[in-house]
Amino acid sequence: EAQVTQNPRYLITVTGKKLTVTCSQNMNHEYMSWYRQDPGLGLRQIYYSMNVEVTDKGDVPEGYKVSRKEKRNFPLILESPSPNQTSLYFCASSLLGQGDSYGYTFGSGTRLTVV
Amino acid sequence: AQKITQTQPGMFVQEKEAVTLDCTYDTSDPSYGLFWYKQPSSGEMIFLIYQGSYDQQNATEGRYSLNFQKARKSANLVISASQLGDSAMYFCAMSKHQGAQKLVFGQGTRLTINP
Repeated sequence: EAQVTQNPRYLITVTGKKLTVTCSQNMNHEYMSWYRQDPGLGLRQIYYSMNVEVTDKGDVPEGYKVSRKEKRNFPLILESPSPNQTSLYFCASSLLGQGDSYGYTFGSGTRLTVV
Repeated sequence: AQKITQTQPGMFVQEKEAVTLDCTYDTSDPSYGLFWYKQPSSGEMIFLIYQGSYDQQNATEGRYSLNFQKARKSANLVISASQLGDSAMYFCAMSKHQGAQKLVFGQGTRLTINP
């Protein structure tokens, strides 16, 4: 089944404790992206990647890191999480140039709480 | 900069009625794509429908249609014959140009279908 897999689904952590949210897709998509969803703000892009070793900042990149060492994986790293990073996170992927025809495939989401 | 506005935080509709969810957008790009996503209470993002800025006809997908009025910069989602399973959060989004990957989202509209 074609899908984007995020792990974990739920995570509660403490301020300052480094964490990684994994994202993997099995559709050979070039493009991958991370979004965060907050009430009243919709989804905002954190980082994106056009291909292996090619990443760039989105609209809200502060406090986050990403890497794209393999085409299928695009982990989101929070080096020192803070409570304002408590949010619902989505990973998404698409074929370059095909995002309109097929939409963007989203992962199931990761609900992160930082206390 | 691109912007999506959804002015209806919540809507309540009787089952089997048609419902229109409003979406207006702002962009200076001549070429762009418009999307609607459904987010049920389980949290996943489900792609519903896409409209390209140069498409002459309004997009339709089953019970979903997109009422695209380019001059007014609106892209309203119309759901015909609503069902209880349509209760969800709905997001309007746009991409900078057809085939591009960054999505800008609106704040969302929570739709509740009453039996």
